Amino acid sequence: AQTVTQSQPEMSVQEAETVTLSCTYDTSESDYYLFWYKQPPSRQMILVIRQEAYKQQNATENRFSVNFQKAAKSFSLKISDSQLGDAAMYFCAYRSAAHGSGNTGKLIFGQGTTLQVKP
Amino acid sequence: GAGVSQSPSNKVTEKGKDVELRCDPISGHTALYWYRQSLGQGLEFLIYFQGNSAPDKSGLPSDRFSAERTGGSVSTLTIQRTQQEDSAVYLCASSFYLAGYGELFFGEGSRLTVL
Repeated sequence: AQTVTQSQPEMSVQEAETVTLSCTYDTSESDYYLFWYKQPPSRQMILVIRQEAYKQQNATENRFSVNFQKAAKSFSLKISDSQLGDAAMYFCAYRSAAHGSGNTGKLIFGQGTTLQVKP
Repeated sequence: GAGVSQSPSNKVTEKGKDVELRCDPISGHTALYWYRQSLGQGLEFLIYFQGNSAPDKSGLPSDRFSAERTGGSVSTLTIQRTQQEDSAVYLCASSFYLAGYGELFFGEGSRLTVL
């Protein structure tokens, strides 16, 4: 079974600085997707960025980028120029890309990292 | 609205009572998921519906939990004889599974408090 681990329960960053959130995962599959979701106090999960395992190039979305190390099964999120609105809980998630009726497409989540942004 | 809608937003109940939580997915989305998020924890998969296929109930923690999806749209998660450990936020998500990687869109959740 696949597992996702986030070893940093809490992180803090000064506004305008850069912070990196860590995530490791365990799988025997070769084809999968990885995601970072943001959960603000409103509770609604918002997709921040995604990475297809077959792509070597790291995904980037504006101030958000990932460092995907497939061999090490590591998927960290870097937030540049941190803003007060970035304060939230961040979840790393895994999704199998296997085809067939056995794949529900469900996301497997880590425990989350609470990010505090200091003004 | 265009997003996933969940109701009630908050529910307080007494131990032993039954509760129903509702999820209205995005129109046209064929896949629907229920997750449970206990305080300060990650999301725990509960159940998955895809079209007319048999649901994947592998994440339901006990037989007190059940869910149905009527007409391939609205879903209801029912918890019978609630216990204090059932207190959590219950999140629903939907996706159009066949579209690429099938991004999951989440609702704002239903916070259940069992006294």
